[in-house]
Amino acid sequence: DTAVSQTPKYLVTQMGNDKSIKCEQNLGHDTMYWYKQDSKKFLKIMFSYNNKELIINETVPNRFSPKSPDKAHLNLHINSLELGDSAVYFCASSPLLTDNYGYTFGSGTRLTVV
Amino acid sequence: QQQVKQSPQSLIVQKGGISIINCAYENTAFDYFPWYQQFPGKGPALLIAIRPDVSEKKEGRFTISFNKSAKQFSLHIMDSQPGDSATYFCAASRASWGKLQFGAGTQVVVTP
Repeated sequence: DTAVSQTPKYLVTQMGNDKSIKCEQNLGHDTMYWYKQDSKKFLKIMFSYNNKELIINETVPNRFSPKSPDKAHLNLHINSLELGDSAVYFCASSPLLTDNYGYTFGSGTRLTVV
Repeated sequence: QQQVKQSPQSLIVQKGGISIINCAYENTAFDYFPWYQQFPGKGPALLIAIRPDVSEKKEGRFTISFNKSAKQFSLHIMDSQPGDSATYFCAASRASWGKLQFGAGTQVVVTP
């Protein structure tokens, strides 16, 4: 059973398009995150949600809009895609906002904007 | 600015050798220091973690050494195996912040 699952695994799209990435966790965790890994493999947090409530928005452009319909799901919608959005996006979850030990990452979504 | 500095960027070690990766941080508010292992096409996976009240933690062939006064911590991989070839990330966090600050990563290659 996959603990944190993301779909799709690969996404190739043209500049200007709108796309979504879905994430689901079956760990019963309260907190979910989106991280971006750039071409140099640097990992940086974008958003965190705790029990469906937005906690962290790390100066991400407004074109990125996360949505959490329930605490097991955190989706990422990206409008007007730009070349610079090409990266691997990782969803993650942790038991509580204040408990980082159980941080679990998904396998990532490789987004390529052409 | 990068809050956690990691070195080296890459490392080649022979099978059976010791891999050592170093990290340094500035923010003394950090209270949790994990190491993650990432294989190509996979997400980072927690390898081992330490809190600042201990100076060393060992799990199997992996050891974290922590120097609070120097604000440095390191990962030692003993008896390195080809299966250890991966990218390793150090990270730092404070529990109440709910986010991990990652180092830039070290690509480790273990030759047979």
